[in-house]
Amino acid sequence: DIQMTQSPASLSASVGETVTITCRSSENIYSYLAWCQQKQGKSPQLLVYNAKTLAEGVPSRFSGSGSGTQFSLKINSLQPEDFGSYYCQHHYGTPWTFGGGTKLEIK
Amino acid sequence: DVQLQESGPGLVKPSQSLSLTCSVTGYSITSGYYWNWIRQFPGNKLEWMGYISYDGSNNYNPSLKNRISITRDTSKNQFFLRLNSVTTEDTATYFCARDQDGLFVWGAGTTVTVSS
Repeated sequence: DIQMTQSPASLSASVGETVTITCRSSENIYSYLAWCQQKQGKSPQLLVYNAKTLAEGVPSRFSGSGSGTQFSLKINSLQPEDFGSYYCQHHYGTPWTFGGGTKLEIK
Repeated sequence: DVQLQESGPGLVKPSQSLSLTCSVTGYSITSGYYWNWIRQFPGNKLEWMGYISYDGSNNYNPSLKNRISITRDTSKNQFFLRLNSVTTEDTATYFCARDQDGLFVWGAGTTVTVSS
């Protein structure tokens, strides 16, 4: 199985700040990397796929980058609704696997 | 828009079987896509469990292969999860999800606790 490693595990930031979350895969997944957001008590929602393509309705302050084994999700000008947990997930082939998550909290 | 809703017992005893239903509205499960079960453990780790495809074929996570079965009732537009011989380690929130190429649309999830 492809192992997905995220960092940091938690992050504290203020509204208006810019943050970056990183994800590393244990083998080359080209650009088959997705990011999803999960708010407390809710199901995950797709944000980014193919490493850098925003899902429908996702604000442009979100951006994804990377290829191969190293990826990142950047959120510019944090808004109150951005706080929650973020997960990377490869979509290169089954079994689909997820990173351990990054919890983004309000400072 | 497609909507998925999980249902089933919230408490299962160790060694018994866990059975969940996913009811799908807004899209026929025989028209396309892959219909998955994913679980999230306490501590938030996510694990893909497997799927049944629109044509009825299955693909399971090898880590579960001997215990899992995903079936469907096309007349009710539902698909089902059965997990045998559960232990406390199977305590989790279970999500059903539609996927295409590994990109998911998730249901709300249902929490299952395995305890005597």
